[in-house]
Amino acid sequence: AQTVTQSQPEMSVQEAETVTLSCTYDTSENNYYLFWYKQPPSRQMILVIRQEAYKQQNATENRFSVNFQKAAKSFSLKISDSQLGDTAMYFCAFMKGYSGGGADGLTFGKGTHLIIQP
Amino acid sequence: DAGVTQSPTHLIKTRGQQVTLRCSPKSGHDTVSWYQQALGQGPQFIFQYYEEEERQRGNFPDRFSGHQFPNYSSELNVNALLLGDSALYLCASSSRPTGSVGRGTEAFFGQGTRLTVV
Repeated sequence: AQTVTQSQPEMSVQEAETVTLSCTYDTSENNYYLFWYKQPPSRQMILVIRQEAYKQQNATENRFSVNFQKAAKSFSLKISDSQLGDTAMYFCAFMKGYSGGGADGLTFGKGTHLIIQP
Repeated sequence: DAGVTQSPTHLIKTRGQQVTLRCSPKSGHDTVSWYQQALGQGPQFIFQYYEEEERQRGNFPDRFSGHQFPNYSSELNVNALLLGDSALYLCASSSRPTGSVGRGTEAFFGQGTRLTVV
């Protein structure tokens, strides 16, 4: 079974600052995917960024980037030039890769509540 | 594109009752997964439906059952409700990859159904 650990229950930064959210995971799988989801007060989970484990290059999406360290099983999210709208719960999630027989669901961490202060 | 829609948005039930939650996937998606998110926690995978069959299941009792219809919409049924079943129930849709190992797909989430058991 996989586990995902987010060790920062809450973080607070000033607008325009850069913030890094931590995530570690444990798995014996070699083929998998990692995701960061954002959950604002509206409750809807929104995909922020994804990373395929077989890719060495770190994923980036505009102001969002990851630092994927496969050997260390670490997958941190960096948010640059933070904005008030970034305030939300952020969840790190793991998914086994498809192997022809179907895929498991996502395994989520407990989340980090990120607060962007004006 | 309406995205993933869930109904109802809120529900209050009495302990011992049964409840049915509904989900319509995003257009073009054929796979539906259900998650339970307790207050202050990350979502936990309940099960996944594809081709009208339950394909994968998380660590949930048989009181939790589901169904997928030919139009890919899905229902989650919970029997003999317990106080501990109070949570946000999230539905996520995705599409099966046509490739083999190494192909993954993002899950798109609905806004959830808030179930309160009293």
